[in-house]
Amino acid sequence: GENVEQHPSTLSVQEGDSAVIKCTYSDSASNYFPWYKQELGKGPQLIIDIRSNVGEKKDQRIAVTLNKTAKHFSLHITETQPEDSAVYFCAASPNQAGTALIFGKGTTLSVSS
Amino acid sequence: DGGITQSPKYLFRKEGQNVTLSCEQNLNHDAMYWYRQDPGQGLRLIYYSQIVNDFQKGDIAEGYSVSREKKESFPLTVTSAQKNPTAFYLCASSIKGEQYFGPGTRLTVT
Repeated sequence: GENVEQHPSTLSVQEGDSAVIKCTYSDSASNYFPWYKQELGKGPQLIIDIRSNVGEKKDQRIAVTLNKTAKHFSLHITETQPEDSAVYFCAASPNQAGTALIFGKGTTLSVSS
Repeated sequence: DGGITQSPKYLFRKEGQNVTLSCEQNLNHDAMYWYRQDPGQGLRLIYYSQIVNDFQKGDIAEGYSVSREKKESFPLTVTSAQKNPTAFYLCASSIKGEQYFGPGTRLTVT
């Protein structure tokens, strides 16, 4: 079955710096890769996703890149702000209807002002 | 106002009691999921359902049960057989692979 590894587990940056979180997956059949942001005591929020027919996707300060050959994908946050502080999860899925996502263990991002 | 609702937000139970967590969605999504989250851990899949009246076990189904009698509802029962039930429980629903989460229920069993 699918296995998703996420690094680093914690990341501290200064406001305005960039942050990068990396994930690797094991199942070459996976073709959908979402990223979630979870604030303390709340449910995860889908912030960006990428499908395997695309190499990069950007939404304002957030971008995701996918390397299918190497089976890894990354989340890039530019111009970080204190409100970006949260736990970020990557996930992978074969994207068949109703198939459950396999999640990484999360990265705690702290942005200090 | 569409979304996924979970109730209650906080739930306290005595050891040995069964407890049912509610999850409702008005997004018309076919698939629904239950995850468990422990401090510093990722999300672990308990059960999921792709259609009404059908559901499958996830990675940690022991001590839990579910039902899917309506498309909108996917309640989770934490039974007395679950050895470590204290956790944060998250419900989700999905369409075309995109999964959306509810606000969660924090269950404390003493």
